[in-house]
Amino acid sequence: DGGITQSPKYLFRKEGQNVTLSCEQNLNHDAMYWYRQDPGQGLRLIYYSQIVNDFQKGDIAEGYSVSREKKESFPLTVTSAQKNPTAFYLCASSTHTLSNYGYTFGSGTRLTVV
Amino acid sequence: QQPVQSPQAVILREGEDAVINCSSSKALYSVHWYRQKHGEAPVFLMILLKGGEQKGHDKISASFNEKKQQSSLYLTASQLSYSGTYFCGTEMRNTGFQKLVFGTGTRLLVSP
Repeated sequence: DGGITQSPKYLFRKEGQNVTLSCEQNLNHDAMYWYRQDPGQGLRLIYYSQIVNDFQKGDIAEGYSVSREKKESFPLTVTSAQKNPTAFYLCASSTHTLSNYGYTFGSGTRLTVV
Repeated sequence: QQPVQSPQAVILREGEDAVINCSSSKALYSVHWYRQKHGEAPVFLMILLKGGEQKGHDKISASFNEKKQQSSLYLTASQLSYSGTYFCGTEMRNTGFQKLVFGTGTRLLVSP
């Protein structure tokens, strides 16, 4: 079955540590996205990528980095520069024009700073 | 730029109806609706396109008022499975690639 796989489901980070969240899709979608979800604030866009080897900053990119070396993969690194990283992170993908199918989301990674 | 959703929360008894609104200050090309169960991924419900028709499936439908830049989601004869948080995602297509801007969500609880 086609879909998006995020891993790990839960992740704990120590102060000053970088961590990488994985996102893989087999839907043959061109576009991929990373959103952060905090209670009461909905989903906020971190980074997005329209095509391999190209990505753009979203509204809250500071303290995060991404890469898009393969069409299927769009990993997110939460760096030590991100001062408040505890949140639920969602990866999504779509066709280039969003068409009639909207986004397909992964099941998310819950990151906690310890 | 973030669309405003209302109400923030709704509590229904099974079988009752609800309306969730999504308003934007920007001109919209499309509005998407998603439902998220606690701790799970949001699931796509439907998309309303500028100039398009009202959409719906089963007892969930939606409309898009282009003049008011507002969309409404209608849930009729609610079922327990409708519980969750509903998000609208708005697309403001001018040129080039667009992405969705999401509202803050409406929490819906349907009780027996």
